[in-house]
Amino acid sequence: SSELTQDPAVSVALGQTARITCQGDSLRSYYASWYQQKPGQAPVLVIYGKNNRPSGIPDRFSGSSSGNTVSLTITGAQAEDEADYYCNSRDSTGNRVFGGGTKLTVL
Amino acid sequence: QLQLQESGPGLVKPSETLSLTCTVSGGSITSSSYYWGWIRQPPGKGLEWIANIYYSGSTYYNPSLKSRVTISVDTSKNQFSLKLSSVTAADTAVYYCAREFSVTTERKFDYWGHGTLVTVSS
Repeated sequence: SSELTQDPAVSVALGQTARITCQGDSLRSYYASWYQQKPGQAPVLVIYGKNNRPSGIPDRFSGSSSGNTVSLTITGAQAEDEADYYCNSRDSTGNRVFGGGTKLTVL
Repeated sequence: QLQLQESGPGLVKPSETLSLTCTVSGGSITSSSYYWGWIRQPPGKGLEWIANIYYSGSTYYNPSLKSRVTISVDTSKNQFSLKLSSVTAADTAVYYCAREFSVTTERKFDYWGHGTLVTVSS
């Protein structure tokens, strides 16, 4: 299957740790990348590969993987982290796929 | 700094063909290990990958759109384009172009255009 499944919504208290997960069979073979999207803006890459952050992304963002599940963890969530988050990977035929997205609310 | 800019009509009639172009500046579209892609987002919904192309012409298409989509590249203009035929209201979305770094098991869409809203309506 080429589908990636995400929980629609996650909430976290300010300063606490948020974990957003993404499940899919292809994740056993291929790394995922994670994107943050705020209203009215284009997505921004926050994590890629095993656990890599682009320049400018705070180190409170990290990624991990286990079996068919990848996770994006925000340690010490800030108000500005409230956004939609999408995972992305590829399937065995080379087609790319996005997860359905997770809306993160920082309380 | 690499920049991508989408261009094309903001309004397309049902059953017609949507055509968009992405102009790349600040870098070459022929750089190795980079694909160039289109992603869309219907209002209030999630991201949907449409297609990718390598400068050599190698392509990948979303199976659910493949019969209606053509992606092409013009290396002389540093541009790539999208055509989506037989559009309906369901194709109304913000369309993004993006650069994808792609090697073996790892890939990332590291640069995105601002997006352009295309509305399908008569």
